[in-house]
Amino acid sequence: NAGVTQTPKFQVLKTGQSMTLQCAQDMNHNSMYWYRQDPGMGLRLIYYSASEGTTDKGEVPNGYNVSRLNKREFSLRLESAAPSQTSVYFCATSFRVTEAFFGQGTRLTVV
Amino acid sequence: AQSVTQPDIHITVSEGASLELRCNYSYGATPYLFWYVQSPGQGLQLLLKYFSGDTLVQGIKGFEAEFKRSQSSFNLRKPSVHWSDAAEYFCAVGGTLDDKIIFGKGTRLHILP
Repeated sequence: NAGVTQTPKFQVLKTGQSMTLQCAQDMNHNSMYWYRQDPGMGLRLIYYSASEGTTDKGEVPNGYNVSRLNKREFSLRLESAAPSQTSVYFCATSFRVTEAFFGQGTRLTVV
Repeated sequence: AQSVTQPDIHITVSEGASLELRCNYSYGATPYLFWYVQSPGQGLQLLLKYFSGDTLVQGIKGFEAEFKRSQSSFNLRKPSVHWSDAAEYFCAVGGTLDDKIIFGKGTRLHILP
């Protein structure tokens, strides 16, 4: 079992470019999350999905969109990347908020 | 809105000394509380969690935390730290209001030899 798999692991974008971060889980969890981690800011919730077909904004949703494609997959899209979106992005899943299981992260640099 | 405050950005302790990391939360119902640890360049690992029952929770690596509802706190403790405990520690809160899990800004622990 892979748990939570994120792709890619590293990415460099130019300002204005778009990209999609992929997340897939094989834990059969209903809830999925996208966080960004920045030095001194901890993990901030971007979007979350309580179940297939639903998504909700978190603490810092501006500049991002998400898609809950099915129970397994939850993608994060940057339509027009900005340097302020340089960060480490983590996908996580949970069963009824009992514990968050994290992917290994995607290190994104926007130049 | 739910929130987590970790008042100490950095803490330095000597190896073998005791440790307490502070966490205060705000949540509109009974909270689920978590402590995670992240070693440099690594992912996040769950140390312990609290849902209900005994307010003193034991975790991995010799850590424990105590839930105090009256103080809205969930402080992490360890009686004797090891050099390998140097890492960043995150407190988080979730619960039955919605499906969000919100993290604090973290406390970076430094260990003096």
